[in-house]
Amino acid sequence: EVQLVESGGGLVQPGGSLRLSCVASGFTFSDYWMHWVRQAPGGGLVWVSRVSSDGSTTFYADSVRGRFTISRDNAKNTVYLQMSSLRAEDTAVYYCARKLAGASVEYFHHWGPGSLVTVSS
Amino acid sequence: QSALTQPRSVSGSPGQSVTISCTGTSNYVGDYNYVSWYQQHPGKAPKLMIYDVTKRPSGVPDRFSGSKSGNTASLTISGLQGEDEADYYCLSYASSYILVFGGGTKLTVL
Repeated sequence: EVQLVESGGGLVQPGGSLRLSCVASGFTFSDYWMHWVRQAPGGGLVWVSRVSSDGSTTFYADSVRGRFTISRDNAKNTVYLQMSSLRAEDTAVYYCARKLAGASVEYFHHWGPGSLVTVSS
Repeated sequence: QSALTQPRSVSGSPGQSVTISCTGTSNYVGDYNYVSWYQQHPGKAPKLMIYDVTKRPSGVPDRFSGSKSGNTASLTISGLQGEDEADYYCLSYASSYILVFGGGTKLTVL
């Protein structure tokens, strides 16, 4: 069974940094791109970032580019999201997600339960 | 403001059908058959309901169907049930490898 479990969320001051982790199990982690998606309180889903299966290629939403860094450690079955220069508008539940096996593009079939990040003084 | 526009809310009575639209530019919906739909109940992670515009993952009831015409994709739910009450989001794959969600639609089962 595919499982994704996020951790590392919490309260951080504006301008601060935080690193989220997502540990994967139940599949060959190094075969899949991995994604982060966030959802502000009462808001909609927003795709944040993605990293290729070998970690060499990354993409970001405009709203986080230059402030967030996605990476992965295939030996630890873990994907990370390093967040810096955090703003109040970054407050959200952050989900990691994996595509549907066999699909042509990245459809998010597997999700973690999410990790809440609150940016506030 | 999302590049994909969805109605903020729709409603229907049990047994009826409802359709949720997702309208984008040619870059986001019109040029690619890469639209997917997600159902999200309060406090839960989203669930993939439709992919490749019309396909259903294993386990999704055939009451859920997808379609696309021009720059508008649609999710239709027939035979509405109480458990269908949730938020629904479309997702499209843009040309620059960036993914975009619609703003979301709240479905109320009356």
